[in-house]
Amino acid sequence: NAGVTQTPKFRVLKTGQSMTLLCAQDMNHEYMYWYRQDPGMGLRLIHYSVGEGTTAKGEVPDGYNVSRLKKQNFLLGLESAAPSQTSVYFCASSYTFNQPQHFGDGTRLSIL
Amino acid sequence: GENVEQHPSTLSVQEGDSAVIKCTYSDSASNYFPWYKQELGKRPQLIIDIRSNVGEKKDQRIAVTLNKTAKHFSLHITETQPEDSAVYFCAAQNRDDKIIFGKGTRLHILP
Repeated sequence: NAGVTQTPKFRVLKTGQSMTLLCAQDMNHEYMYWYRQDPGMGLRLIHYSVGEGTTAKGEVPDGYNVSRLKKQNFLLGLESAAPSQTSVYFCASSYTFNQPQHFGDGTRLSIL
Repeated sequence: GENVEQHPSTLSVQEGDSAVIKCTYSDSASNYFPWYKQELGKRPQLIIDIRSNVGEKKDQRIAVTLNKTAKHFSLHITETQPEDSAVYFCAAQNRDDKIIFGKGTRLHILP
């Protein structure tokens, strides 16, 4: 039982490049979330999903897209990376909205 | 939308003393309030949560209190130990079912 797994763990991109971050959970959770964590800013919700095939915007969705084609996977895409997107990205999952969230180990992304 | 304010941003306490972290929220419909601990370089992990139908919850050295009228909730850690050093985040679930996190409190336990 791996819980929540994020890939990759580290990545360096050049401005304008695109990439996809993958999150996988094996707990049969309905809800999945993508957050970014910046110094002094806490965890800010980018996008979330309440079930397979659904997505919704969080606090800071601009510049990101997501997809939830399979219940266990939640993908975060950056179409044209910008230096302002340099951050640590965390994926999380939960049974429902008012249940504890289980986090992955994070992806440290640097945009040069 | 929901807004969660967390204080203090940094807290230093002597080992063995108690630590208190306070959070306020804006959405009166919020009914789920979790607390997460994040050690340096690690993932956030839930340490305790409380729902709006109770005013206090305790788990060994950790307790959380909730005042729905005043819209604030607090984390209490007693008999602090070196391994309590971490960043602590409060959160509140708002009417749109999203969880909004506070900006965090860095807790230092002094020897």
